[in-house]
Amino acid sequence: DQQVKQNSPSLSVQEGRISILNCDYTNSMFDYFLWYKKYPAEGPTFLISISSIKDKNEDGRFTVFLNKSAKHLSLHIVPSQPGDSAVYFCAASPNTGNQFYFGTGTSLTVIP
Amino acid sequence: NAGVTQTPKFRILKIGQSMTLQCTQDMNHNYMYWYRQDPGMGLKLIYYSVGAGITDKGEVPNGYNVSRSTTEDFPLRLELAAPSQTSVYFCASSYGETSGAQETQYFGPGTRLLVL
Repeated sequence: DQQVKQNSPSLSVQEGRISILNCDYTNSMFDYFLWYKKYPAEGPTFLISISSIKDKNEDGRFTVFLNKSAKHLSLHIVPSQPGDSAVYFCAASPNTGNQFYFGTGTSLTVIP
Repeated sequence: NAGVTQTPKFRILKIGQSMTLQCTQDMNHNYMYWYRQDPGMGLKLIYYSVGAGITDKGEVPNGYNVSRSTTEDFPLRLELAAPSQTSVYFCASSYGETSGAQETQYFGPGTRLLVL
């Protein structure tokens, strides 16, 4: 029962172009969403988050968009850089408790 | 700050053996978590703790036990290891001052476990 889904296992983008990573969720109780970045043999590191009271949050080259009615969020990276090549996980948390539910990840490759 | 540290990095167990995965954080975080990540899958929460002496089950707790006697340490115990427990295990911590909102978890580097 995967409550957070990332339907694209992999994505390749040319350096300098936009990378768009997508995430869908099923639980309407989720109200806080995060993106993590993971390099091989390392733990995930926090990238950006968004609360359900917002529909957009921006941090430098990274922007997360939230569409609550569609239960969909996306991460935009502009411009993409080779160092962005990693696996990206989205995660969601309900408005009570501290349990986080993770997607299966999207492996991003930025081609120089 | 070392952040979140995990030992060992890698371990091979035989079926039926037991072991403890160690996790320590030096950020004075209240909340700590154990996740497992199977190949091609997302992270699944095993157990979590909101403070010393308090633990609770996550999505996949069967076959594991935890304890939290100090703020810094949150060991994960595997009893009677099974091949289904072959996975990468991540420990994480967070401040826990606000439930859900604005909460960021800091992860350790992971322990790769192979049960044969």
